[in-house]
Amino acid sequence: GAVVSQHPSRVICKSGTSVKIECRSLDFQATTMFWYRQFPKQSLMLMATSNEGSKATYEQGVEKDKFLINHASLTLSTLTVTSAHPEDSSFYICSASMDRAYGYTFGSGTRLTVV
Amino acid sequence: QQQVKQSPQSLIVQKGGISIINCAYENTAFDYFPWYQQFPGKGPALLIAIRPDVSEKKEGRFTISFNKSAKQFSLHIMDSQPGDSATYFCAASSKTSYDKVIFGPGTSLSVIP
Repeated sequence: GAVVSQHPSRVICKSGTSVKIECRSLDFQATTMFWYRQFPKQSLMLMATSNEGSKATYEQGVEKDKFLINHASLTLSTLTVTSAHPEDSSFYICSASMDRAYGYTFGSGTRLTVV
Repeated sequence: QQQVKQSPQSLIVQKGGISIINCAYENTAFDYFPWYQQFPGKGPALLIAIRPDVSEKKEGRFTISFNKSAKQFSLHIMDSQPGDSATYFCAASSKTSYDKVIFGPGTSLSVIP
């Protein structure tokens, strides 16, 4: 149990376009999901907390207008990188939890390359 | 300010040896301390986790030691194998912060034959 699916695994887009990344909890419902960003050989940096039915909470320094998060249902959260630029190229990872006692499961990540 | 510190940055261990990674935290509100293993191009996978009311937890070859008074915890990998070569992250979260998992900077482990 506690499987988190992330799609797509890789995406290449042109500068100025928008890209949507999906995060799904396959076998459980998640009222809260988290989005992280990871640069090569660095740690995961928390970007935002996605709450079902309400606005996302963004960490300090994260542009909420650039990284749009929608938690449309108890099993789906999406991250849209708007007007992407090469500096947005990174590895984006989501996580969700079936129950706090079991900890958080991470998706397999999305490699975004903006050219 | 780094909330979770981790050392060493990289570690080379011979097959069969013990790998030890240390972490320290500052926020006393943290009440959940997981360790994650990450392979290149993949998301992190939960290895083992501990709560502060326990001083040690063992699962197979992996053991967490926890020192609440020192605000430190460590991961021991016994009988290290080449397949253990990966990046390891310690992390922490608290219920009062909506369970946001805060990661340490990571340790790159290489187990050589």
